[in-house]
Amino acid sequence: DAGITQSPRHKVTETGTPVTLRCHQTENHRYMYWYRQDPGHGLRLIHYSYGVKDTDKGEVSDGYSVSRSKTEDFLLTLESATSSQTSVYFCAISERTGGEQYFGPGTRLTVT
Amino acid sequence: KQEVTQIPAALSVPEGENLVLNCSFTDSAIYNLQWFRQDPGKGLTSLLLIQSSQREQTSGRLNASLDKSSGRSTLYIAASQPGDSATYLCAVRREGYNNDMRFGAGTRLTVKP
Repeated sequence: DAGITQSPRHKVTETGTPVTLRCHQTENHRYMYWYRQDPGHGLRLIHYSYGVKDTDKGEVSDGYSVSRSKTEDFLLTLESATSSQTSVYFCAISERTGGEQYFGPGTRLTVT
Repeated sequence: KQEVTQIPAALSVPEGENLVLNCSFTDSAIYNLQWFRQDPGKGLTSLLLIQSSQREQTSGRLNASLDKSSGRSTLYIAASQPGDSATYLCAVRREGYNNDMRFGAGTRLTVKP
C-alpha cells in the first residue's frame, strides 16, 4: 500500500468552526489531491497540488482552502464549517500528472 | 463537462461466475481511465489504469477494456470469489485536464459463496 495517512480519521464539529484535515505521504510523490465522497454524488475533486506551494481548484472548491509547505503534507481547511460539508474526505497522491492515483483511508467529518 | 455512468448500480452473482462491469463516459477525448475498488468504510484501491492509446489492461483475474469512440470501458472479473465483494468505481481524465478525474457512482458487487 502507498504510504498515505490522514488525520484525524473521524471528527465531529459545530457549524461555524474552522477545521483542518491533514494528509501525509511517505512516497515523495509530487501530486496530491483532496476529494469528498457523498451518497448520490460519488467522489468529487476539491483541490489539488502539483508541488510545494503550488495548488489549483477542483470541481467543488468553494468553502475550502489548501496549503502545501512540504512535499509530504497537504492540508485542507474549512474556514467556517457548514452542515453541507459533512462528508468523507479522501486524500490521494500521484507521481506524475495524469498518473495512477493512490488513496488514503479517509476522514469522516460531521458538522452539526 | 465529463459525465461518467456505471450500470448496474448493484450486482449479485454466485461464486465462480465470470462477470462484466460497465462504465460509460460522455466526452471521448480522454487522457486515461482508472478502475478502483472500495471496501465498506475504506479508501480506494487502484486496480487498473488504461491510457487512451490502449485497448485493454490485465492484472490477474481482472481485464479492463477501453473503447474511446463509443465512450465505454468494461471491467471483466474471471472466476469471481466472495473476496471480490466491494464497490467498483471507474474514473476518467479528459485530455488537457490531467489532474481532474471524474468518477462514476460505482457498482456494488456481491459474490455469494
